[in-house]
Amino acid sequence: DTAVSQTPKYLVTQMGNDKSIKCEQNLGHDTMYWYKQDSKKFLKIMFSYNNKELIINETVPNRFSPKSPDKAHLNLHINSLELGDSAVYFCASSQVQHRNEKLFFGSGTQLSVL
Amino acid sequence: AQTVTQSQPEMSVQEAETVTLSCTYDTSESNYYLFWYKQPPSRQMILVIRQEAYKQQNATENRFSVNFQKAAKSFSLKISDSQLGDTAMYFCAYYNNNDMRFGAGTRLTVKP
Repeated sequence: DTAVSQTPKYLVTQMGNDKSIKCEQNLGHDTMYWYKQDSKKFLKIMFSYNNKELIINETVPNRFSPKSPDKAHLNLHINSLELGDSAVYFCASSQVQHRNEKLFFGSGTQLSVL
Repeated sequence: AQTVTQSQPEMSVQEAETVTLSCTYDTSESNYYLFWYKQPPSRQMILVIRQEAYKQQNATENRFSVNFQKAAKSFSLKISDSQLGDTAMYFCAYYNNNDMRFGAGTRLTVKP
């Protein structure tokens, strides 16, 4: 079973549209994240949630709205998509337990805005 | 926010040789974690090695080892006996309190 799964893997859409990326983890972790990886491969944290509560929100435009219905899910909704939103978006999860912190990543969603 | 710096955008190494990737970071915390992640062309993020700041002993995982210098805030990755499958982007990362920050990455090419 995939530990962190995100869908879709690829998303091609027109500028101005609204789209969502879903993420689910079956590891029982308390914390989930969204990262954006741009064309230069730079990985930037966007959000982190701990037990459904927003912990980090890194100067992300408010067109991006994360939703955490429960601690196993963290979905990302993007309104009014822009060309600059084209990137790979990674979901990840972690658990603070027995000093064993590490992130488990999903396989990424390649978003292309045309 | 903490920053992580990888000063080598690209590196190459001959198969079977040893290569060291550099990483420095900035923090005012005393307890934190450091990681190296590998990203092959498949795009998957793969954990290579992990170091806890409160441990002085350098972490090792088979052919991968780190040189952790806490006072200098340096965390380099040594890959011994390089293999073609080691070709990938390598990211250094700092983690503390539900927040993980990555360096810009080093693209490593292993040549046959």
